[in-house]
Amino acid sequence: QSVLTQPPSVSGAPGQRVTISCTGSSSNTGAGYDVHWYQQLPGTAPKLLIYGNSNRPSGVPDRFSGSKSGTSASLAITGLQAEDEADYYCQSYDSSLSGYVFGTGTKVTVL
Amino acid sequence: QITLKESGPTLVKPTQTLTLTCTFSGFSLSTSGVGVGWIRQPPGKALEWLAIIYWDDDKRCSPSLKSSLTITKDTSKNQVVLTMTNMDPVDTATYYCAHLSSGWSFDYWGQGTLVTVSS
Repeated sequence: QSVLTQPPSVSGAPGQRVTISCTGSSSNTGAGYDVHWYQQLPGTAPKLLIYGNSNRPSGVPDRFSGSKSGTSASLAITGLQAEDEADYYCQSYDSSLSGYVFGTGTKVTVL
Repeated sequence: QITLKESGPTLVKPTQTLTLTCTFSGFSLSTSGVGVGWIRQPPGKALEWLAIIYWDDDKRCSPSLKSSLTITKDTSKNQVVLTMTNMDPVDTATYYCAHLSSGWSFDYWGQGTLVTVSS
């Protein structure tokens, strides 16, 4: 079960900026654990997009950026492109579970 | 180059036990800080973390599934095995294994394997 809450969907026109929120609690994001973001294109495995709240792995365009404050984190996509149409998930560690938690997922649609 | 690949049955009957194997390369599960996790995704639904095993053989499972999950490793074969007992149709999902980075993100994923639970 997901304990990180995300909006089900966001949309934007090509070139626009969209943001996705990820809200946790005092046992995960609010406890200071890092938030990571994944992009899942249709029919494929998730791909790490942002790690450690705001860091991009090699090869990830700088159009993607992440931030975290308190119990919430955000993923921003600037200059939205058609190829960004995908599902996005946040993830963190939860001390009460002694394990890992994912967000509910957000579908990004490019209009 | 780190790669992971899941293998196991594509169809299991209700109440049966599922055994999935993750075979990996490019890292060793005997190296300090390394972990391999299992994550599943029912069709059209979100990702769900299931279990993880660390280099020191520490193991953690999702509390909601703890009674039915077992995770083990064979360091010499570069494999991690997940066993799930008493399978139910709601367990139909794509099962992924993934490498856990030192920062606790899953930085490398297998391609996933779809397991259908049906009589």
